[in-house]
This record gives sequence, structure tokens and C-alpha cells, in this order.
Amino acid sequence: SQKIEQNSEALNIQEGKTATLTCNYTNYSPAYLQWYRQDPGRGPVFLLLIRENEKEKRKERLKVTFDTTLKQSLFHITASQPADSATYLCALDRAGGSYIPTFGRGTSLIVHP
Amino acid sequence: NAGVTQTPKFQVLKTGQSMTLQCAQDMNHEYMSWYRQDPGMGLRLIHYSVGAGITDQGEVPNGYNVSRSTTEDFPLRLLSAAPSQTSVYFCASSYTTGGNTEAFFGQGTRLTVV
Repeated sequence: SQKIEQNSEALNIQEGKTATLTCNYTNYSPAYLQWYRQDPGRGPVFLLLIRENEKEKRKERLKVTFDTTLKQSLFHITASQPADSATYLCALDRAGGSYIPTFGRGTSLIVHP
Repeated sequence: NAGVTQTPKFQVLKTGQSMTLQCAQDMNHEYMSWYRQDPGMGLRLIHYSVGAGITDQGEVPNGYNVSRSTTEDFPLRLLSAAPSQTSVYFCASSYTTGGNTEAFFGQGTRLTVV
């Protein structure tokens, strides 16, 4: 079955630096990959989608890369701010083609002022 | 602009009790799903639906039932609550258009089974 791995250790960085989060997957070739943000006590919120034929996608201070050979996506937040502190979840399309995402466990990002 | 609405927000059940978690969306999305989130386990898919009248099992379906009689509503039923079902439950709805897809989540239901 498809497996999604995200670093379980929290990422601590200083304000203004670039945060880079990693998502690795196995046993699957997804048509797309999504990134979500989750704040404590809230549901996840969609940030970005990147398709299998796209190498890179940007939205404001966010950048996502997708390497289907390495089976890896990198999620970058440039000029990070304390307000960016949250858990970031990687998600793939569910095997079988339905538009129901399968999620990784998420990585907590803490941006220190 | 309601989006996905889940009720209740909090619930305490005794072992063996049954209950229904409600989920409603007002975005006319075809796809709806239920996840549970436990510490260190991430979001795990319980059941999902690709349209009214169509449901299927996710990764962890045991102990739960769903039905989808309308596009808007997707209730999750706990048949006989067990302490292992203590969790935070999220309902989501998804659309797809032009190769884009995005899931919208409710605020969650925090369930404790004692």
C-alpha cells in the first residue's frame, strides 16, 4: 500500500529564514501531491497542489517541488514568520483514482522571533 | 459561507453507546470523507463517498458506518463505542475541476469514550 513519510521531529528555525519540509512516498506513483497547513484544534487547510508533470509550483512565499524519480516533494517557506508556525501535512491522491487524499503524519514547524 | 460543518464539537460516550457524528457541506462537492486523527498517527481515512448513494471503506473502517443519501450530508455512525475510538474526527469535502482538487475540512469533533 502507498506510504507517505514526513519528518516526525519538529523543525525549529529563526524568523526570516527559509523553512524546508520533506515528504517522501513509496509504493505509488501519484498523479498529484498536496500540502496542507493545520493549526492546533483546527482542521487542515489546503495550501498548494503540484501535479506529476510539474517540477515546481509557487504561491507567494511558498514553493513546492516534486521529484517523481526520487519520490519526494520539498515544501519551502521563505522569509518565515512566527505566524507560519503550524503542522504541515503532505497528501497524495488515493490509489484507485478517487479524489480523496491520503495524508502523511505531518511535520511541526516552529518559527522563533 | 459555511463550508463544511461538523456537529457536535465535543462528545463523551460510554463504552457500548452508539452515536452519529454529523457532517454537512454547502459547496455541492461530489466527494466527502471521514478521517480520524490520533497523536503520532496523522489523519487516517475511515470511509469516503464519491457521490450520493456511493460509499466505500478507507484504511480504518471497523466500528463505523456511513451513508450518503444527499450530496450535502455524510453522517458517521459509531455502532458500539470503544475506548479505542477516542480520537478527533474530521469530515472533508473535495471537488475536482480541470485537474485541480482540494479538500475542505470541518472544525473536527473531539470524541472521548470512557
